[in-house]
Amino acid sequence: DIQMTQSPLSLSASVGDRVTITCRASQYISTYINWYQQKPGKAPSLLIYAASSLQSGVPSRFTGSGSGTDFTLTISSLQPEDFATYYCQQSYGTPYTFGQGTKLEIK
Amino acid sequence: EVQLVESGGGLVQPGGSLRLSCRGSGFSVSNNYMNWVRQAPGKGLEWVSVIYTGGATYSADSVKGRFTISRDNSKDTLYLQMNNLRPEDTAVYYCVADAKVAATGWHAFDMWGQGTLVTVSS
Repeated sequence: DIQMTQSPLSLSASVGDRVTITCRASQYISTYINWYQQKPGKAPSLLIYAASSLQSGVPSRFTGSGSGTDFTLTISSLQPEDFATYYCQQSYGTPYTFGQGTKLEIK
Repeated sequence: EVQLVESGGGLVQPGGSLRLSCRGSGFSVSNNYMNWVRQAPGKGLEWVSVIYTGGATYSADSVKGRFTISRDNSKDTLYLQMNNLRPEDTAVYYCVADAKVAATGWHAFDMWGQGTLVTVSS
């Protein structure tokens, strides 16, 4: 199985900050990675697919990059509604494993 | 509003069985790749099972032999039959559509239900 390792697992930041979350795959996955946002008590929602494609309706301050085994999710200027938990997921093959999650909190 | 709606969760004793259902509102479960993803209390996301439009299914090792994903196209409903349940199966179970693949060729979970809680406890 492909393991997805996120870092950091928690992050404190302020409104307006630029933040980056990284995800490393245990083997080559090309650009078969997706990013999700989950707010407390809610289902996750898709932010980025295929490493860098923005899901419809997602603000352009979210960007994804990377290929192979190393990937990043960047939020260019944090807004109050961005404080949430973020997950990466590989879609290279089953099992479609997720990272452990990164909890983004207000500083 | 286009949405997925799960049902069937509840409290069950260890070793018991439960069947979860998922129907789409304004969305066809039958014509899309469909998944179940679970989340234990306070924990991360765990992919459980997928059923492709052609009927092929795959499951995580943690549930293989105990859980079965299926679909009734006549009812446009997705199911997860869960047998021999264990306390570690306690989680919110989400019905999730991979509708992205049909439009782009890329697998991504772009529609999620609200989740249904399964609690396995004596």
